[in-house]
Formats: sequence, structure tokens, C-alpha cells
Amino acid sequence: DAGVIQSPRHEVTEMGQEVTLRCKPISGHDYLFWYRQTMMRGLELLIYFNNNVPIDDSGMPEDRFSAKMPNASFSTLKIQPSEPRDSAVYFCASSLGVVSYEQYFGPGTRLTVT
Amino acid sequence: RKEVEQDPGPFNVPEGATVAFNCTYSNSASQSFFWYRQDCRKEPKLLMSVYSSGNEDGRFTAQLNRASQYISLLIRDSKLSDSATYLCVVTFISNFGNEKLTFGTGTRLTIIP
Repeated sequence: DAGVIQSPRHEVTEMGQEVTLRCKPISGHDYLFWYRQTMMRGLELLIYFNNNVPIDDSGMPEDRFSAKMPNASFSTLKIQPSEPRDSAVYFCASSLGVVSYEQYFGPGTRLTVT
Repeated sequence: RKEVEQDPGPFNVPEGATVAFNCTYSNSASQSFFWYRQDCRKEPKLLMSVYSSGNEDGRFTAQLNRASQYISLLIRDSKLSDSATYLCVVTFISNFGNEKLTFGTGTRLTIIP
């Protein structure tokens, strides 16, 4: 298996622009997670899905952030409009469960908003 | 109080030494515990799960102390390749019935030749 795939790997955009991050989970995994990592705050869980349904979005910072999972093999995280403070590494991960199962992380998308 | 707290380090340890660090958690209902390892500019990867009875994997030993609400990671005979950031993860069932998990901010370890 190719593992969790994320695109793009790097994104540089100007403040106010829309940013869309993409993720393909490992086939057969029914949980998908979006994280944001910064030096100041560490790794923060933004939202997670189970069988394509959002279960917990309490970590989504504000309405500018939205996430979708239209099918079992694809998810997007969108930021509109982007702000400099959104600059971070965004990871997608997938697993067979939450509480007791290993999470497999993608390589991350390094986002810079200028 | 943060849900999960770790000493950020850095821990600078000579090769061959033993090093240990802890992770404290605030929710007494926490169910599962893990240690992840993250190399510089890479994604986190599972190092080991932490079981109530404690568990060992080669040079690595993980322990759970539910009474004091902390987990620990011990690395014996440290290698240069052990240099990384170690993240603890704690999971629990929320009052709303959904599963939640929290990552600590990580402890940075550097093994010195």
C-alpha cells in the first residue's frame, strides 16, 4: 500500500486566497483525521471522520476552515480566506479506529500564507 | 491545565546512556495511551502502545501510572538514530459519547556522539 497520500506537499499563497489541501487515506481505513502542527501549539486535531461522516470538528479553529469527505478514498481541508496565522504543517492520518488503533500519517502539507 | 503535558526538552544525552521522560494527562477517564516518534520535518509514526501492565520493545519500555496519571518512556543504550521528538497520545470517550484523542507537544531528544 502507498500509505496516506497528501497534496500538495508545499503551498505558498497570499493572504485572502483560498487554499485546498487533499488527502487519500489508506484503503480500508474507516477513520480519517486532519491535524495542524506549529511550533507554538504542537499537533492539534482539527476534525475527524468515520465512514465519511464528520464525528468531531471541535478543533476546527473558525468558520474559515471546512473539511469534506465525499467518499472513502478522498478528503479535503479548505481554508477561505487564508491568513498568515494559518501557516503550519497540515497532516492527514487514517486508521481503523480512534481509541485503540495506530494512526498512519501522510507526509504533510507545508502551508505558508504571506 | 492542559489535557496532555510533556517536558519539551531538549534532552541532550550521550550515546549509550539511558533516558526517560514522562507525559501527564488530566482526564482520569483516559482509555488508551501511545508514544509516537517524529523525526525532523517528517510525519509522526507509532513507536509503541502503552499497556496497563507496562510493555517493552527492545530498548524501549513504556509504563502507565493511572493513580498519578502519567505515562513514561524509557530508552536504554541510546543510539544516534533515537534522536527525534517523542509525542505522547491520550484517548478517551467524551461526555457526548465520541472518542477523542490528544497529542502532547512532544519531547525533543538529541543523542550526542
